[in-house]
Amino acid sequence: QQQVKQSPQSLIVQKGGISIINCAYENTAFDYFPWYQQFPGKGPALLIAIRPDVSEKKEGRFTISFNKSAKQFSLHIMDSQPGDSATYFCAASGGGGFKTIFGAGTRLFVKA
Amino acid sequence: DTGVSQDPRHKITKRGQNVTFRCDPISEHNRLYWYRQTLGQGPEFLTYFQNEAQLEKSRLLSDRFSAERPKGSFSTLEIQRTEQGDSAMYLCASSLNQGSEKLFFGSGTQLSVL
Repeated sequence: QQQVKQSPQSLIVQKGGISIINCAYENTAFDYFPWYQQFPGKGPALLIAIRPDVSEKKEGRFTISFNKSAKQFSLHIMDSQPGDSATYFCAASGGGGFKTIFGAGTRLFVKA
Repeated sequence: DTGVSQDPRHKITKRGQNVTFRCDPISEHNRLYWYRQTLGQGPEFLTYFQNEAQLEKSRLLSDRFSAERPKGSFSTLEIQRTEQGDSAMYLCASSLNQGSEKLFFGSGTQLSVL
């Protein structure tokens, strides 16, 4: 039961470029939308998160854009660096449930 | 804050054997989650504890899987009669009791069933 769909599966970006990862959800009861970053051999770590009452949130080089009517949200990584090379997961939670539902992930490679 | 700790990091077992994993959450966190992650996929929810109470269990979870959290502290996940399809990374996460959905993950236990 995939309630969060993520694209693309993989992404190659030049150093200094913008990385964009997209996510779509189905359950309109979700009220918390995080992005997690995972390096090989490590568990996911929260990068940035947004609630549906705002359309954009920015933290440093990372920005979430949220479109409630389209049930979509995206992660933008500005000035991408080789150290950003990792797998990124969008996720969603809320609606009275306890669990967080994850997308399938996007493997980002930033070329130096 | 010493982070979420999982043990062992790696486990190799033969098909049909039982295995048990341990998770020590961040001390003040009341919520504890188990997820399973296979190669190229996102974490898949298995079960959730609020203190010592197991409040939700995935319908996809086989009866061979059982989890406990005695006294609301550490948690164990046991897989009985392991199958090759159980090979995956088993992740534990914890979070604060209320008002925070932020999950703190451990580094996981990588299970290989031969």
